[in-house]
Amino acid sequence: DARVTQTPRDKVTEMGQEVTMRCQPILGHNTVFWYRQTMMQGLELLAYFRNRAPLDDSGMPKDRFSAEMPDATLATLKIQPSEPRDSAVYFCASGLVGTSLNEQFFGPGTRLTVL
Amino acid sequence: GEDVEQSLFLSVREGDSSVINCTYTDSSSTYLYWYKQEPGAGLQLLTYIFSNMDMKQDQRLTVLLNKKDKHLSLRIADTQTGDSAIYFCAESTGGYNKLIFGAGTRLAVHP
Repeated sequence: DARVTQTPRDKVTEMGQEVTMRCQPILGHNTVFWYRQTMMQGLELLAYFRNRAPLDDSGMPKDRFSAEMPDATLATLKIQPSEPRDSAVYFCASGLVGTSLNEQFFGPGTRLTVL
Repeated sequence: GEDVEQSLFLSVREGDSSVINCTYTDSSSTYLYWYKQEPGAGLQLLTYIFSNMDMKQDQRLTVLLNKKDKHLSLRIADTQTGDSAIYFCAESTGGYNKLIFGAGTRLAVHP
């Protein structure tokens, strides 16, 4: 049963600390998306990759956020330094370009709390 | 620009029908989607409709598409407590699988 996995599932940290969230896309998928969900802003697209290359990260605060794909099986989202306003649920999703349906498969999310 | 709008809350009685509405802006979207998010989980594709269709029925789910008004709706017949979730409308745009999601409609089902 192929699925997107994310670690950690929950993270509590103090303001100023570095946070790294990891995502393993479904094997064979060639697009990866990072979203942030909050009650106030809803679901926001932060960044997306195709074939490990970043296509758009305009939704991401550049000064503190960075997203990378070191290899096809791992995507990372890093926040340094973290701030209380970064508290949210962060979702990774993967998909396969070339299929007409364009379905995205979401991971379970990482719930981040910055104190 | 690209925008998808939907109402934020809907409360229905168990056994009644639920109708969730959505408006979108990108008329070039090949498909329109409904994703469901259950508590503590990620979004999951619930159903979709091809843009040249007016209606799609899938068991208790009926999707209606009005392309002229750019209006999409999801009807859930015989709503059950297990249908309580957030429902997101989405359109595809710009290639590369990018989707534009609405804010989500929180459906509450009460006895």
